Amino acid sequence: AIQMTQSPPSLSASVGDRVTITCRASQDISDDLGWYQQKPGKAPKLLIFGASTLESGVPSRFSGGGVGTDFTLTITSLQPEDSATYYCLQDNGYPLTFGQGTKLEIK
Amino acid sequence: QVHLEESGGGVVQPGRSLRVICEASGLSFSSYTMHWVRQAPGKGLEWVALVWPDANTKYYADSVRGRFTVSRDNSKNTLYLDMNNLRPEDAALYYCTRDYLTGDKREAFDLWGQGTMVTVSS
Repeated sequence: AIQMTQSPPSLSASVGDRVTITCRASQDISDDLGWYQQKPGKAPKLLIFGASTLESGVPSRFSGGGVGTDFTLTITSLQPEDSATYYCLQDNGYPLTFGQGTKLEIK
Repeated sequence: QVHLEESGGGVVQPGRSLRVICEASGLSFSSYTMHWVRQAPGKGLEWVALVWPDANTKYYADSVRGRFTVSRDNSKNTLYLDMNNLRPEDAALYYCTRDYLTGDKREAFDLWGQGTMVTVSS
């Protein structure tokens, strides 16, 4: 199975900051990667698919990049409502695999 | 209004079986690949299984293959997960979710239920 290594496990940032979360695949997955946001007690929410395509309705301060094995989720101009745990998901091959998650705290 | 609702969770002893169900409404259920994703308490997300719209093609996580069976009844807009020989490590909140890019090479889970909790304990 393809392993997804996500970093950092947690981070703390201030409103207005720019943050970047990374995900590394154990093999080339092209651009077959999505990013999900999960708030406590809620189901995950799709942010980005195809590594860089923003899901409809998601604020433009979220962006994704990368191809092959290294991917990033960047949030510019951080807002209080961005406090959540973020997960990457590779959909290049079965079984699908998630990263371990990154918990983002807003100071 | 599009909606997924899971049910069937509960407390079960190790080695026993349980079926969880996901009922869909407001969407063309038979058009979409459906997935199960689980989350152990305080832990991350784990993909479990999927079934294509044809109800015949299925894939599983290594951790559940041979013990879990995913199925669907398109006439009832319902997705199932039959879980056999349950282990303590199967305890989790089980979500069903839709791949709205069905037919595309990519997968994107845009619609999720609220989850149903499965506890495995003697």
